[in-house]
Amino acid sequence: QPVLTQPPSVSGAPGQRVTISCTGSSSNIGARYDVHWYQQLPGTAPKLLIYINNKRPSGVPDRFSGSKSGTSASLVITGLQAEDEADYYCQSYDSSLSGSGVFGGGTKLTVL
Amino acid sequence: EVELVQSGAEVKKPGESLKISCKGAGYNFNNFWIGWVRQMPGKGLEWMGIIYPDDSDTRYSPSFQGHVTISADKSITTAYLHWSSLKASDTAIYYCSRLVGTTTVDPFHIWGQGTMVTVSS
Repeated sequence: QPVLTQPPSVSGAPGQRVTISCTGSSSNIGARYDVHWYQQLPGTAPKLLIYINNKRPSGVPDRFSGSKSGTSASLVITGLQAEDEADYYCQSYDSSLSGSGVFGGGTKLTVL
Repeated sequence: EVELVQSGAEVKKPGESLKISCKGAGYNFNNFWIGWVRQMPGKGLEWMGIIYPDDSDTRYSPSFQGHVTISADKSITTAYLHWSSLKASDTAIYYCSRLVGTTTVDPFHIWGQGTMVTVSS
């Protein structure tokens, strides 16, 4: 079982807003570790989408935003577009696992 | 251009050994952590471990410690993932990825194209 918990799937119509949650614990998100988010389009390698909780790499549209509070984090996508249909993963680190990285189980976003 | 280029797909039998590679280019290979991520068929991403090429400092996820070996040859800017005895459950796509910065808790930024490993008798 993944250390970080994400909903298996979310969906929304074009133009709508969706939120993907990522729930951890006091040894990962609730500790000093930041949360990063990745987008994986079908058949491709993951792509860094949000890093250090809420920062966007160059080239990532501002429709994507992230936040962290307590032992959870969230990815918000506004103005949904068809090309946003993908799998989304949160990632952090965990002190109970010797500081190794951990991913969420992933969330499949369907654009209706 | 910063890039990671991985070796090609492999088909192996259970019990065989395998080493797959990931060649970095366009940046100072020695001074960025580089890691491996597993994705089993139809499943999510799993953090396996990372290595700092300059001194070969290596960190493993407890889930993978003892099952794989991560190494790097900085003279040819290449990182490796090695199995001494493959199992059918090792069938997966393996991605290498460079961390964005120089600390062990940085996110993965530059990704290789993935190497499909199939283990079947």
